[in-house]
Amino acid sequence: KAGVTQTPRYLIKTRGQQVTLSCSPISGHRSVSWYQQTPGQGLQFLFEYFSETQRNKGNFPGRFSGRQFSNSRSEMNVSTLELGDSALYLCASTQDRGNTEAFFGQGTRLTVV
Amino acid sequence: DQQVKQNSPSLSVQEGRISILNCDYTNSMFDYFLWYKKYPAEGPTFLISISSIKDKNEDGRFTVFLNKSAKHLSLHIVPSQPGDSAVYFCAASGVGGTSYGKLTFGQGTILTVHP
Repeated sequence: KAGVTQTPRYLIKTRGQQVTLSCSPISGHRSVSWYQQTPGQGLQFLFEYFSETQRNKGNFPGRFSGRQFSNSRSEMNVSTLELGDSALYLCASTQDRGNTEAFFGQGTRLTVV
Repeated sequence: DQQVKQNSPSLSVQEGRISILNCDYTNSMFDYFLWYKKYPAEGPTFLISISSIKDKNEDGRFTVFLNKSAKHLSLHIVPSQPGDSAVYFCAASGVGGTSYGKLTFGQGTILTVHP
């Protein structure tokens, strides 16, 4: 069974631009969550999608958004990029909502210059 | 407000000995706990989990202990191997309120296992 796949692995963007990251969950997994990892803040929850609906959201500005498609694949978008958005963005999938193991992708390393 | 804390930034252990990584939490709504291992620039790898209805869960060399009254959990690795050297994160989730569908992570502990 293939794991969680995130694309692209690396991105360099300029301040003010926008970026879209993609996540394909493990086959059969219906919940997808996104996390941001930075050296200062650690791993922080961005949002969770289940059945194409955002079910939970972390404390991030509205510039961070996402969506989920009918095949459970998810994308997250960051608009008007700031230098502080440079981070490792991680996607995790779980079979269902609730307390089950979450499996992570390799992440997308975003650098904003 | 850090709801999950790993108070030891680093731990150094000799190969073959036991590694004990600790984690404390403050949110009473947390009822499911997980441990992850992570290398730089990679995603976390799931190791082991425990539900709040249990106090111990084992999987091979990894055992997680949960003390609900103390809001404390620990991961034991026996015997430790050099390949275990990585950053270890504990994470928690809950069934209620804003805890549902999300993991809250500790800051991580860097484990170094010396040959």
